[in-house]
Amino acid sequence: KQEVTQIPAALSVPEGENLVLNCSFTDSAIYNLQWFRQDPGKGLTSLLLIQSSQREQTSGRLNASLDKSSGRSTLYIAASQPGDSATYLCAVSGANSKLTFGKGITLSVRP
Amino acid sequence: NAGVTQTPKFRVLKTGQSMTLLCAQDMNHEYMYWYRQDPGMGLRLIHYSVGEGTTAKGEVPDGYNVSRLKKQNFLLGLESAAPSQTSVYFCASARQDFSGANVLTFGAGSRLTVL
Repeated sequence: KQEVTQIPAALSVPEGENLVLNCSFTDSAIYNLQWFRQDPGKGLTSLLLIQSSQREQTSGRLNASLDKSSGRSTLYIAASQPGDSATYLCAVSGANSKLTFGKGITLSVRP
Repeated sequence: NAGVTQTPKFRVLKTGQSMTLLCAQDMNHEYMYWYRQDPGMGLRLIHYSVGEGTTAKGEVPDGYNVSRLKKQNFLLGLESAAPSQTSVYFCASARQDFSGANVLTFGAGSRLTVL
């Protein structure tokens, strides 16, 4: 059974700091990995998707990497802003496009 | 461009009552999913569908039933609601591709409280 872990559960950083969010998974037989953002009381918004054959994806100030063999992914946020405050979830896709989610990291960026 | 629409957004039920959550997508996606999100538990898959007329159990299917009679709609039913089913329910859809999944599109969620 696939398990996805995100540690720590919460993180607080000052504005402008570069930061890394970690995600680990137990079964390396994945099709892809996605990072999502969730604002309080809202749904999930997909940030980045990395196919199993890729090593990284970039979108603006966000960069996600994938190391399938070690079961790890990182989400790098450059020059963090208060608007980046949200919960960030990673999810891995297996058979039938079923996603297994981590519990998320709640990020707070202090002005 | 509606994407994924869930109705209702909020509902309060008494124990033993029944209800149906509706998920509608206008992107012609093959795959549809129902998740529940609980504090400290993350998102857990309840049921999913890989196409019109198909359904399959996810991680936590007990107490729920689903139907996918039309490609664009995925219904989640609670026949006899229990307080343990108090949660936020999310529907998602995805189109099929060679890798098994594309970017999932989520609905805004339905908050259900069972008293």
